Amino acid sequence: GENVEQHPSTLSVQEGDSAVIKCTYSDSASNYFPWYKQELGKGPQLIIDIRSNVGEKKDQRIAVTLNKTAKHFSLHITETQPEDSAVYFCAASLTGTASKLTFGTGTRLQVTL
Amino acid sequence: GAVVSQHPSRVICKSGTSVKIECRSLDFQATTMFWYRQFPKQSLMLMATSNEGSKATYEQGVEKDKFLINHASLTLSTLTVTSAHPEDSSFYICSASKGDTDTQYFGPGTRLTVL
Repeated sequence: GENVEQHPSTLSVQEGDSAVIKCTYSDSASNYFPWYKQELGKGPQLIIDIRSNVGEKKDQRIAVTLNKTAKHFSLHITETQPEDSAVYFCAASLTGTASKLTFGTGTRLQVTL
Repeated sequence: GAVVSQHPSRVICKSGTSVKIECRSLDFQATTMFWYRQFPKQSLMLMATSNEGSKATYEQGVEKDKFLINHASLTLSTLTVTSAHPEDSSFYICSASKGDTDTQYFGPGTRLTVL
């Protein structure tokens, strides 16, 4: 089955700086890669996703890049703000209406003033 | 759109009792719903996949007789933890996907504490 590794486990950046979180996956058949933000005591919230026919996707301060050959994808957050502090999870799946997500281990991002 | 709710948000029960958690898609029809369990400072672990009108598919190691899942309609799935024990204490989260996409939208989670 799919295995997703995520690094780093914790990340501390100063407000205004950029943050990068990296994930690798094992199943070359995976073609859907969402990123979720989870605040303490809440459910995960989808922030951006990318499919394997695209190499990069951007939404305001958030961008995701995908390297299919190397089987890794990254989340980039620019101009970080204190409200970006949360746990971020990457995931991978094979596209389908009942496709199961395999999650990474999570990255706790702390944005300091 | 794509809002998923869960009820209750937190529940405390005595060991040996059963607890039911509801997951509802509020503004869309969910052909598939998923149930996850998350222990403190850990990732989400899929427990089962639920399709409306059919039996749930459980992940390896998840006891189907202990975690009963019913997906009675396109907007409601329920998870019943039967004969709960302290080790079942966890954060239970559901997600739902629309029929035309594989994107999963998550509920706010239910904190279960078994005394």
